[in-house]
Amino acid sequence: SAVISQKPSRDICQRGTSLTIQCQVDSQVTMMFWYRQQPGQSLTLIATANQGSEATYESGFVIDKFPISRPNLTFSTLTVSNMSPEDSSIYLCSVDRQGSGNTIYFGEGSWLTVV
Amino acid sequence: GDSVTQMEGPVTLSEEAFLTINCTYTATGYPSLFWYVQYPGEGLQLLLKATKADDKGSNKGFEATYRKETTSFHLEKGSVQVSDSAVYFCALGRGATNKLIFGTGTLLAVQP
Repeated sequence: SAVISQKPSRDICQRGTSLTIQCQVDSQVTMMFWYRQQPGQSLTLIATANQGSEATYESGFVIDKFPISRPNLTFSTLTVSNMSPEDSSIYLCSVDRQGSGNTIYFGEGSWLTVV
Repeated sequence: GDSVTQMEGPVTLSEEAFLTINCTYTATGYPSLFWYVQYPGEGLQLLLKATKADDKGSNKGFEATYRKETTSFHLEKGSVQVSDSAVYFCALGRGATNKLIFGTGTLLAVQP
């Protein structure tokens, strides 16, 4: 399995502020993904981040709210902008280790609470 | 579009009981199927997977068989332990896009 480190692991944020979550992978991967898991809910894909190109966002998610960077093949960031209590969620970074769609691993998540 | 339906929880079992968590999917073609587990306070871990029809994924005593005729991927374990208490997610993946579509998750609580 891939070693995926996320920072911060937990945070309590004030509404209206922004927070950047970092994801570091132990090896180079082409595709990285960001998911959201709202309390008691399943996971929803926010966007796909490929190195050297703009992130591709899923329906219902926009770049202004969730800007993503992918400066190299082992690192990505997700920013949650202008947070509201509805943004309280676990944000998970995910990678496809072999690029085949069959080896997708997740970080431990960043648990954000917006007050 | 593609979708995954899981049995609703919570599922409460006594230790050493037999476990089945139902998962069915809707998709065209031949997706890959996964079970992920989320232990309390932790992120998602890949439990097992199957990439084609009739494949059986297995890990840590858990098994699931990819049944195309019934579009199902039910998770089973012959004898659960308290340490298996977690939320289990069934997911469908498309190799071309690498995106996963998750079911709603099933909470399993195993009592001693």
